[in-house]
Amino acid sequence: DVKVTQSSRYLVKRTGEKVFLECVQDMDHENMFWYRQDPGLGLRLIYFSYDVKMKEKGDIPEGYSVSREKKERFSLILESASTNQTSMYLCASSSLTSRENNEQFFGPGTRLTVL
Amino acid sequence: AQSVTQLGSHVSVSEGALVLLRCNYSSSVPPYLFWYVQYPNQGLQLLLKYTSAATLVKGINGFEAEFKKSETSFHLTKPSAHMRDAAEYFCAVRYGGATNKLIFGTGTLLAVQP
Repeated sequence: DVKVTQSSRYLVKRTGEKVFLECVQDMDHENMFWYRQDPGLGLRLIYFSYDVKMKEKGDIPEGYSVSREKKERFSLILESASTNQTSMYLCASSSLTSRENNEQFFGPGTRLTVL
Repeated sequence: AQSVTQLGSHVSVSEGALVLLRCNYSSSVPPYLFWYVQYPNQGLQLLLKYTSAATLVKGINGFEAEFKKSETSFHLTKPSAHMRDAAEYFCAVRYGGATNKLIFGTGTLLAVQP
């Protein structure tokens, strides 16, 4: 089974702090994604990566950056956390092989509260 | 641009009743379509996916969805709801290209009444 893990289930930070959210997948997937989930808005893509050291902005990249130094690990960074970044953050990964038909596999999520 | 619309942010059914969750997409090319479920305090889990092999797709937990190109719809159904089906359901459509990006609908929260 594919497993996507996230470093924390719950996180509380203060405004202005630098925040790191870590995601690790164990299926050698090429693609990795970071979403934020807010009530009534569904999932919105922040950033994605299609290879080591490669990244592209999603729909809402402002206030975030990412790092992918190893294939299995994708980090989301909030350079200076703000209260409007309080949200559920979901990481996902997917393979390019046609057999899996591009399904994305999700981690359990990190609920971040910024005070 | 591709988009996904889920009609009804909240749906309530009685246990044993039919579940119908609606999803419409807009796409200029034949899409890949997905339904995901999210149980409380968990990540998303794939229920089923349409990849052009068959228009009626069966998924886990007794759910199925029918792809109707003429209606640009991919509605999710289950003949008889169980209490354990209470969750949030997301429809998603895949972008083209090699990066496998998905566009998600805003979600439908399903409540099942005893």
